[in-house]
Amino acid sequence: DSGVTQTPKHLITATGQRVTLRCSPRSGDLSVYWYQQSLDQGLQFLIQYYNGEERAKGNILERFSAQQFPDLHSELNLSSLELGDSALYFCASSVGSGTLRKNIQYFGAGTRLSVL
Amino acid sequence: SQKIEQNSEALNIQEGKTATLTCNYTNYSPAYLQWYRQDPGRGPVFLLLIRENEKEKRKERLKVTFDTTLKQSLFHITASQPADSATYLCALDRGYGNNRLAFGKGNQVVVIP
Repeated sequence: DSGVTQTPKHLITATGQRVTLRCSPRSGDLSVYWYQQSLDQGLQFLIQYYNGEERAKGNILERFSAQQFPDLHSELNLSSLELGDSALYFCASSVGSGTLRKNIQYFGAGTRLSVL
Repeated sequence: SQKIEQNSEALNIQEGKTATLTCNYTNYSPAYLQWYRQDPGRGPVFLLLIRENEKEKRKERLKVTFDTTLKQSLFHITASQPADSATYLCALDRGYGNNRLAFGKGNQVVVIP
């Protein structure tokens, strides 16, 4: 068990809808990362938050947004969903500062999103 | 442009042999390189971290090398077992700034009993 909790595990929805994915990082970790992984793609970095602030953006679509709350949990919002958004979405957390191991990322079990 | 390359073809290997995976990168200057293991439908799990000034790192049956001149890391699984069957990803870390890792697409290993 990585200590990172993602909910829900599975999500089935229709095109055009909006969903929210939730992530609770490991206790003490300040950084949260979101990734998308589809069958033919590797882990695509979407966005990173550190202690409530956006730190880095990757290939995140404008239809997607995220935030990190004061208790450090994070939510990824996906709107106007398209068939191509069907994928595994992973959240990871890391300590984020102060030690050599600060950038080791601990991944949740993922949310499998199916857009029909 | 920046690239991280791992072999897209699965490595099929007999149980007991050593599996060797390659991670090549271009237009990166990583301070650290990490290796992760991913099982189907699961999140990646951290295995090993090696710094740019370290040539080799070992953990149990795993060994990683890091050659910043060749811009390459090799990942070895010695005395491989069927339970080692998984996809292995390398990840590059600049070591500063936003702490973001850049992942390769991974290389699948299948250990045949």
